[in-house]
Amino acid sequence: EDQVTQSPEALRLQEGESSSLNCSYTVSGLRGLFWYRQDPGKGPEFLFTLYSAGEEKEKERLKATLTKKESFLHITAPKPEDSATYLCAVQAGGLYGGAQKLVFGQGTRLTINP
Amino acid sequence: DGGITQSPKYLFRKEGQNVTLSCEQNLNHDAMYWYRQDPGQGLRLIYYSQIVNDFQKGDIAEGYSVSREKKESFPLTVTSAQKNPTAFYLCASSILAGGEHTQYFGPGTRLTVL
Repeated sequence: EDQVTQSPEALRLQEGESSSLNCSYTVSGLRGLFWYRQDPGKGPEFLFTLYSAGEEKEKERLKATLTKKESFLHITAPKPEDSATYLCAVQAGGLYGGAQKLVFGQGTRLTINP
Repeated sequence: DGGITQSPKYLFRKEGQNVTLSCEQNLNHDAMYWYRQDPGQGLRLIYYSQIVNDFQKGDIAEGYSVSREKKESFPLTVTSAQKNPTAFYLCASSILAGGEHTQYFGPGTRLTVL
């Protein structure tokens, strides 16, 4: 069974204090790993897709990396506006008709204090 | 301004009532999805549709129904058979382009059973 586990569940940082969020996965045949940002009461916002081990992608203060068993979301010198829940999802097989089957982790709730 | 809209933002239901959540997209995406989000859990797939007039059950379809009469619309009905319907409901759509398959989410509807 495909599984995604995110750690920690919650993380509090001071503004400017860099850290990393972890996404561990077990899946047969990874076809993509996705990171989303979700603000309270809103829908997830797409951040990155990673396809193969060793791949890295960056956006502003965020950098996502991928190994064969896990992905990290590195946050460098975070600001209070980076506070959100960060969701990780993996795509293993496909669905009927070519639709996309994603398995989501439970998320990491990040709080950046000024 | 392309995107996914969901309405209403908040919905209250009495025991025994059916309610319908609206989802519309103007992104010209073929696939559409409904997810349920509960505190501390990952998103779980309820139903999905790859083309008009065709839809498939996801992992937790019991107590829900959908229709796909138009490409841009994918309403979800929460029936009285759904025993624990209080949750945050998210609609998504996706497109496969340039070898990349990405899901984009709407703003969500919070359903509360009174």
